[in-house]
Amino acid sequence: DTTVKQNPRYKLARVGKPVNLICSQTMNHDTMYWYQKKPNQAPKLLLFYYDKILNREADTFEKFQSSRPNNSFCSLYIGSAGLEYSAMYLCASRRLGNQDTQYFGPGTRLLVL
Amino acid sequence: AQKVTQTQTSISVVEKTTVTMDCVYETRDSSYFLFWYKQTASGEIVFLIRQDSYKKENATVGHYSLNFQKPKSSIGLIITATQIEDSAVYFCAMRERNNNNAPRFGAGTKLSVKP
Repeated sequence: DTTVKQNPRYKLARVGKPVNLICSQTMNHDTMYWYQKKPNQAPKLLLFYYDKILNREADTFEKFQSSRPNNSFCSLYIGSAGLEYSAMYLCASRRLGNQDTQYFGPGTRLLVL
Repeated sequence: AQKVTQTQTSISVVEKTTVTMDCVYETRDSSYFLFWYKQTASGEIVFLIRQDSYKKENATVGHYSLNFQKPKSSIGLIITATQIEDSAVYFCAMRERNNNNAPRFGAGTKLSVKP
C-alpha cells in the first residue's frame, strides 16, 4: 500500500484563526514532507521531517509549524491564517534511501476567508 | 542550490501523437535523482518515472520515457501514443543525493491532448 492520506480534504478557515492539517502513511516511511501548491506555480516545500528531526525552509520558517507524534503521522499547523495561505497543501513521504521515490497524498484544499 | 525550470507553460497535441516536455535543472551535486510527476484534475500528484544521474540508460515506463542529457542538465519527458486522459499538468523534480535534501519542483507544463 503506497497510500498517503490527508485530512481534511477541504478546509474553510477565517482570517486570523488557526488551521491544523493532518497527514498519515502506513509505509513506515521515515521522511514526511509538506508542500504548498498554488495555481500555476510549482509545489513549494514548506518543511519536512526526517524521523523526529524537523527541517523548515528559511522563507516559511515563522509561518508554519509541524509535529510528528509518531512515524505514521505528521501535522501542519498555521497559527493565524491569512488570505495568502489559501492553497492546496500536499503531504508526501519517502523511505530514506537513495532508491526510494516520494509519494504524495491527495492534498488538502484550504480556503481562507 | 537546487533549481528546476520548465519553460513550456502549456502544450496542445492531437491524440496518438508523441509529445516531449522539457526540463532543465541546476545542481552542484554530482549525484542526484530526477523525477516526473503528473497532477490529475482532482489535484492529486502521481509519480510517473525517475532517472538516477549515474545511469546512462534512459528510463522507460509504459508509454513514458526520458531523454536524459547530463551535459546539458536536461531531463525531457516523452509520451508516445498520447491519449485524452494524458491531459494534465506535468511536473519535473530533482533531489540531490544527500539524504537530508527534499525534492524541488519545476512550475509545471500543462498538456492538453485533443481528439
